[in-house]
Amino acid sequence: AQKVTQAQTEISVVEKEDVTLDCVYETRDTTYYLFWYKQPPSGELVFLIRRNSFDEQNEISGRYSWNFQKSTSSFNFTITASQVVDSAVYFCALRMNSGYSTLTFGKGTMLLVSP
Amino acid sequence: KAGVTQTPRYLIKTRGQQVTLSCSPISGHRSVSWYQQTPGQGLQFLFEYFSETQRNKGNFPGRFSGRQFSNSRSEMNVSTLELGDSALYLCASRLTGLIVTDTQYFGPGTRLTVL
Repeated sequence: AQKVTQAQTEISVVEKEDVTLDCVYETRDTTYYLFWYKQPPSGELVFLIRRNSFDEQNEISGRYSWNFQKSTSSFNFTITASQVVDSAVYFCALRMNSGYSTLTFGKGTMLLVSP
Repeated sequence: KAGVTQTPRYLIKTRGQQVTLSCSPISGHRSVSWYQQTPGQGLQFLFEYFSETQRNKGNFPGRFSGRQFSNSRSEMNVSTLELGDSALYLCASRLTGLIVTDTQYFGPGTRLTVL
């Protein structure tokens, strides 16, 4: 069975600080997909990124960056120069490589960015 | 392109009643999944529909059911409501369920409160 662990329940930072959200996953499969979603107070889960298990290249998108390390089964998410609008709950998720496979979510990390 | 829409956004019901929630996927998306989100259990998969057929089902009692129409719109029904059914119900759509790289896009959710 697969599992996603987000050990940080809540993180508080001050605007412009950098913050890293941790994600550790467990799976026996060699091919799988990892995701990050953002959930603002409105409730909608907003897709941020998908990473394939066979592509360990790190990715940067503006202030966001992701560090995928297969050796440690981690897929961490860093926000550089955080802003108040980044305040949300962030979820890491895992999907197996089979049709109609579901997303297995971590418990989420609540990020509070204060001015 | 319009996103995933869910109606109603908020519902209050009493124990023993039944409820029907509706989801309209992104235009062109033919797969719809439902998730339940609670503070204790987090995000849990309910079921996925594609081409009007249930393709996958999570570990929920038979009181939870769903269906999909020919226009890909989906409904989920919960009968004999219990207090523990109070949750945010999220709908997600993707092009198909067959291609594992299809990203799921989520709607804003329906907040169900059972009194």
